[in-house]
Amino acid sequence: DTAVSQTPKYLVTQMGNDKSIKCEQNLGHDTMYWYKQDSKKFLKIMFSYNNKELIINETVPNRFSPKSPDKAHLNLHINSLELGDSAVYFCASSQPSGGQETQYFGPGTRLLVL
Amino acid sequence: DAKTTQPPSMDCAEGRAANLPCNHSTISGNEYVYWYRQIHSQGPQYIIHGLKNNETNEMASLIITEDRKSSTLILPHATLRDTAVYYCIALSSNQFYFGTGTSLTVIP
Repeated sequence: DTAVSQTPKYLVTQMGNDKSIKCEQNLGHDTMYWYKQDSKKFLKIMFSYNNKELIINETVPNRFSPKSPDKAHLNLHINSLELGDSAVYFCASSQPSGGQETQYFGPGTRLLVL
Repeated sequence: DAKTTQPPSMDCAEGRAANLPCNHSTISGNEYVYWYRQIHSQGPQYIIHGLKNNETNEMASLIITEDRKSSTLILPHATLRDTAVYYCIALSSNQFYFGTGTSLTVIP
């Protein structure tokens, strides 16, 4: 069973379009994240949700809007896609406990904006 | 936030132990040290973590110095499949800050 899954795996789209990436975890974790890995391979956190509530919102354009319908899902909606949004997006989940927080990552969604 | 520094790249002969160092001189007393790896562009994979004591699991061992300013990840018998980028991370304010990591190449 896949612990953290993302769909789609690949996404190719035109500038200006709106797209969504979905993430689901079956680990029973309370916390979920979105990370962005750019072409230089830097992996940077974008958002964190705990029990459907936004906890962390790093400096990300407001064209990016996370939505958590329940604690097992965290979707990422991107409006008006730009060339610079091309990257690999990773979803992760964790169950924080006593200062420890092992995060489990999904396989990634490779977004290419043309 | 604690910052970690790692060498950009290392080579290791297949079958030998791979020792990956990490400096985290600004880490605070309650910040855990985590190690992840990323093979090609797959999702980062959890390896091991620790606070003060040395830790060992089925994948690796983690040696943390007594002053907690540095640590070493040990892969006891490196295989070709261990070729990856290895990230040392100090968990701070419930956030992982990934640095540039160490690109480990296991050589046949």
